[in-house]
Amino acid sequence: GAGVSQSPRYKVAKRGQDVALRCDPISGHVSLFWYQQALGQGPEFLTYFQNEAQLDKSGLPSDRFFAERPEGSVSTLKIQRTQQEDSAVYLCASSSTTGTQPQHFGDGTRLSIL
Amino acid sequence: QKEVEQNSGPLSVPEGAIASLNCTYSDRGSQSFFWYRQYSGKSPELIMFIYSNGDKEDGRFTAQLNKASQYVSLLIRDSQPSDSATYLCAVITGGSYIPTFGRGTSLIVHP
Repeated sequence: GAGVSQSPRYKVAKRGQDVALRCDPISGHVSLFWYQQALGQGPEFLTYFQNEAQLDKSGLPSDRFFAERPEGSVSTLKIQRTQQEDSAVYLCASSSTTGTQPQHFGDGTRLSIL
Repeated sequence: QKEVEQNSGPLSVPEGAIASLNCTYSDRGSQSFFWYRQYSGKSPELIMFIYSNGDKEDGRFTAQLNKASQYVSLLIRDSQPSDSATYLCAVITGGSYIPTFGRGTSLIVHP
């Protein structure tokens, strides 16, 4: 596809369950970012990949959050033992190069923890 | 205090008017500035980016950057109801790849 693709679009899970969110960036894009967006707020940075290397994970809120991009393309964000405060929209964005290039966002995954 | 500040609004303007959206930032080392538009339930969409002081125009949109005063603005001329959305300001500090987003300003353009 031409854009960043995220799946699922909606995910409902019970508290304590593990979830996995997928991001398929624009083909050939080197940089990949994950963000968390709460209602009425701007996106908050979670983690950044340059190809398969996770260069920055300073935004991950706890050790329950884990992200990977093993082949430098598709990325997965995993949340273990989900809590209600994890409910948010999780956005993935990619950019063609490193540095400060504009990012292209996917439509996000809306996660609701019951 | 958040590093990137935006008035949450809503900013309401009549159709055909100029909408002016403002963003201030705290880090003087900031070098890259972006405006994104986000419709409700949709992902952010890049509108403009600016790196140098002054104005940058693209169609009905003009980004204005003033590094001395640490603000960046987005002007939308001839506003249309379809411009109604939340506008997010994002700033990248020199030496970093990570943008910091403001909370966004809600714009309503009424017929």
